[in-house]
Amino acid sequence: EVQLVESGGGLVQPGGSLRLSCAASGFTFSSYSMNWVRQAPGKGLEWVSYISSSSSTIYYADSVKGRFTISRDNAKNSLYLQMNSLRDEDTAVYYCARPEDSYGEDAFDIWGQGTMVTVSS
Amino acid sequence: SYELTQPPSVSVSPGQTARITCSGDALPKQYAYWYQQKPGQAPVLVIYKDSERPSGIPERFSGSSSGTTVTLTISGVQAEDEADYYCQSADSSGTSLMFGGGTKLTVL
Repeated sequence: EVQLVESGGGLVQPGGSLRLSCAASGFTFSSYSMNWVRQAPGKGLEWVSYISSSSSTIYYADSVKGRFTISRDNAKNSLYLQMNSLRDEDTAVYYCARPEDSYGEDAFDIWGQGTMVTVSS
Repeated sequence: SYELTQPPSVSVSPGQTARITCSGDALPKQYAYWYQQKPGQAPVLVIYKDSERPSGIPERFSGSSSGTTVTLTISGVQAEDEADYYCQSADSSGTSLMFGGGTKLTVL
C-alpha cells in the first residue's frame, strides 16, 4: 500500500524550531518529487515547499522562505521539513504530498494524514 | 504575489449541476488541478491537467478551461459531494505553486 506518514508536530513557542518527518512506503520514494502543504485551522490549503527526486531543485513559498528548509533522505525513504523562527501564523496541519507523475508533477495524488504544529506562548 | 480566486461558497440541490470557478492570470499557461476535501480528511485529487479525471473519480466530475478561468463542474450532485473544493496551479515561472482560497459546496 502506498503510504505517507508525517510525524514531529507539536507545541512550540514563537521563535522556536521544529523538524517534521514524512515516512514513505509502498513505492520507490527516490523516483518522486515531494511537497509540503499546510492548512491553518479552519483555513484553506497553502503550498509550502517542493523538492525534486534528487534534491537538485527546491522551491519555497514566500511565507516560509529563509525560515524553513526542505530535505530528503532517499536511502531512508524520508522527507523532512526543518522549521525555524516559527511564528503564530505557522500554526497548521502539515501534510506531505506526492504527485502522480502520469497526472503531472503538480498533481498531488497521495497525501499523508498530516501532523499538527501549534506555535503559541 | 500571484493568486487564484474562487467563490467562497456554492449551493445546489441534489441532482443539479454545480460549477465552481477559479481565476488566475497564469492559468492560460499553467495546468490547473482540483481537490475535494471533507472535514478531518486529507484532500483528494478529482481533476488534473484542467480536465482529466483520475481513476476512481466518478464521471460526474469534469473540468474545463477558458482563458484565465478554469471551472470544476459536478453534474447530478449527490449529498456525498458536499465538501470544500480547491483549485491549484503554478505561477508563470512554474517555481511557485498555489491553491485557491477554496469553495464550500453545500448540497441543499
